[in-house]
Amino acid sequence: QSLLTQPPSVSAAPGQKVTISCSGSSSNIGSKYVSWYQQVPGTAPKLLIYENNKRPSGISDRFSGSKSGTSATLGITGLQTGDEADYYCGTWDDSLSIDVVFGGGTKLTVL
Amino acid sequence: EVQLVESGGGLVQPGGSLRLSCAASGFTFSNYWMKWVRRAPGKGLEWVANINEDGGQIYYVDSVKGRFTVSRDNAKSSLYLQINSLRVEDSAVYYCARGGHTRGHYDYWGQGTLVTVSS
Repeated sequence: QSLLTQPPSVSAAPGQKVTISCSGSSSNIGSKYVSWYQQVPGTAPKLLIYENNKRPSGISDRFSGSKSGTSATLGITGLQTGDEADYYCGTWDDSLSIDVVFGGGTKLTVL
Repeated sequence: EVQLVESGGGLVQPGGSLRLSCAASGFTFSNYWMKWVRRAPGKGLEWVANINEDGGQIYYVDSVKGRFTVSRDNAKSSLYLQINSLRVEDSAVYYCARGGHTRGHYDYWGQGTLVTVSS
């Protein structure tokens, strides 16, 4: 059971928008940066968002990140079939001797 | 282009050992913290180990302490993970990743190498 709670799955149609939530506590999300990763099955995880809302070079602006209190949200607009993947949030927690704690992951299905 | 390529995984019996390697290219390896992360079948990502730029600071998740050893060779731009006393629950795809410029994110990942522990 991860400290960070994500919905197991979300789905939406191509072209639509979807949001994925990541819920934590004051000792992690509430006071630390959040990052988001995409993992298409069989491939390497890819960093989508870091420091809550920054996109690395080369990441589409269809991906956005936000944080409010002890929750963070990944938004994906203009859904494409290629966006089908597992999505993970990550942060750290001062109460744990863990570098980054990840959420349990959310499977995105593009219908 | 940043590339991280893992190797060394395989099928091993409980109690066995493996040495995983990660060959890095496209960046100055000696300037970055490096990480090992794993994903067990049907589960999410789990951080395993950290090593700082010169190998002087090393950290592990509690479940692997005393069994796993992370190391690096900056001259060869390579990262290693020696895994001993393997358990069934260590079965996973093991990824090497590069630490971001601030804490809390990993900006590049390898494709992973599969470790299967089974009798």
